[in-house]
Amino acid sequence: GEDVEQSLFLSVREGDSSVINCTYTDSSSTYLYWYKQEPGAGLQLLTYIFSNMDMKQDQRLTVLLNKKDKHLSLRIADTQTGDSAIYFCAERTPRGGGNKLTFGTGTQLKVEL
Amino acid sequence: GAGVSQSPSNKVTEKGKDVELRCDPISGHTALYWYRQSLGQGLEFLIYFQGNSAPDKSGLPSDRFSAERTGGSVSTLTIQRTQQEDSAVYLCASSASGRAGSYEQYFGPGTRLTVT
Repeated sequence: GEDVEQSLFLSVREGDSSVINCTYTDSSSTYLYWYKQEPGAGLQLLTYIFSNMDMKQDQRLTVLLNKKDKHLSLRIADTQTGDSAIYFCAERTPRGGGNKLTFGTGTQLKVEL
Repeated sequence: GAGVSQSPSNKVTEKGKDVELRCDPISGHTALYWYRQSLGQGLEFLIYFQGNSAPDKSGLPSDRFSAERTGGSVSTLTIQRTQQEDSAVYLCASSASGRAGSYEQYFGPGTRLTVT
């Protein structure tokens, strides 16, 4: 079935690295995504990874995918106060036409000075 | 357009009234999605349009919910006889289509619906 889980909260100090974790259950997932949602705003696509990759780096963001364990993580290097937001992981699977996304419940990242 | 736009940004309605929420996708995007985000919960898929194909309505929670997409562009989500549990942020997204590709979905700012 489709189930994507994330921890609800993460608190880090400015300048430290943040690691946000996500687990999913559908092994047929083709793409996995990370979205950021700031208060009162819509979702902003941060990055995505294709299922045949195990790592993708984009500036301060590093995505790691362990397909065997169905585990996805987002590492934010040198975390800044502007990174405070809710982060959602999402998976796209071939079922149902293959285009709808299943989202996790979101991880609220709080960056403290 | 530059991005996905939605209107209104906020809507307060009385229980039992009908509401219409509008979404303008990114120009050229053939796929359009509606999601619902309730307080403290993740995003719940509602409905998906792809070109001229029949929409995927598998996420609509009841027959009070319906959506249309006219001319392959603008979409309207209609909720009839609103209930308090319909209060949520309704998000629209669009993506380019194709046989292959990452199908990145780009989201609008959402419509916050409050049913009193």
